[in-house]
Amino acid sequence: DTEVTQTPKHLVMGMTNKKSLKCEQHMGHRAMYWYKQKAKKPPELMFVYSYEKLSINESVPSRFSPECPNSSLLNLHLHALQPEDSALYLCASSQEVAGGYTFGSGTRLTVV
Amino acid sequence: QQQVKQSPQSLIVQKGGIPIINCAYENTAFDYFPWYQQFPGKGPALLIAIRPDVSEKKEGRFTISFNKSAKQFSLHIMDSQPGDSATYFCAASMTGRRALTFGSGTRLQVQP
Repeated sequence: DTEVTQTPKHLVMGMTNKKSLKCEQHMGHRAMYWYKQKAKKPPELMFVYSYEKLSINESVPSRFSPECPNSSLLNLHLHALQPEDSALYLCASSQEVAGGYTFGSGTRLTVV
Repeated sequence: QQQVKQSPQSLIVQKGGIPIINCAYENTAFDYFPWYQQFPGKGPALLIAIRPDVSEKKEGRFTISFNKSAKQFSLHIMDSQPGDSATYFCAASMTGRRALTFGSGTRLQVQP
């Protein structure tokens, strides 16, 4: 299995809703990432988990809350989002020492 | 110092042409330089990557040229095909910080 699987593929949520994005990989990668990508822009790093511990938080607002329940799973909990948070949210994973990421197909999030 | 500058922003070539995309970096601590291909609605996919101890790397029709003294690297696509039409991102990372810094992206269109 050489894939990173993200669910759901599309999500529409109101500004008062609570929702979660899920990411799963079975490649034995020990680093997992959340990126945010706006249209026609490069991905922007949000969070990095290394060995299930949060190692990088790029000053992301607290309305985004990451969780890594085990080495294969990564969640992103969403609460009280703003319309400007609408974007493609990408999960990725990588080996401990190699730099190559494997990205998922992303969750297209729309906040109304 | 974390920036990676990418050019051109967009590129149109005829089938069989050799598009060239260029990137430049400032931070000499970067030691891993991947290129990603992204189709609309999909996550980025790793194409090819290089480390600073080599000046060129080829994988199929894709070649990275790396100039360490100039702090520049480029992607060449040989015998380009309409199916290569996508957005291409260069990126860089450094040992100890497993997070990619992306260039701004190049939208490539290969005309039949």
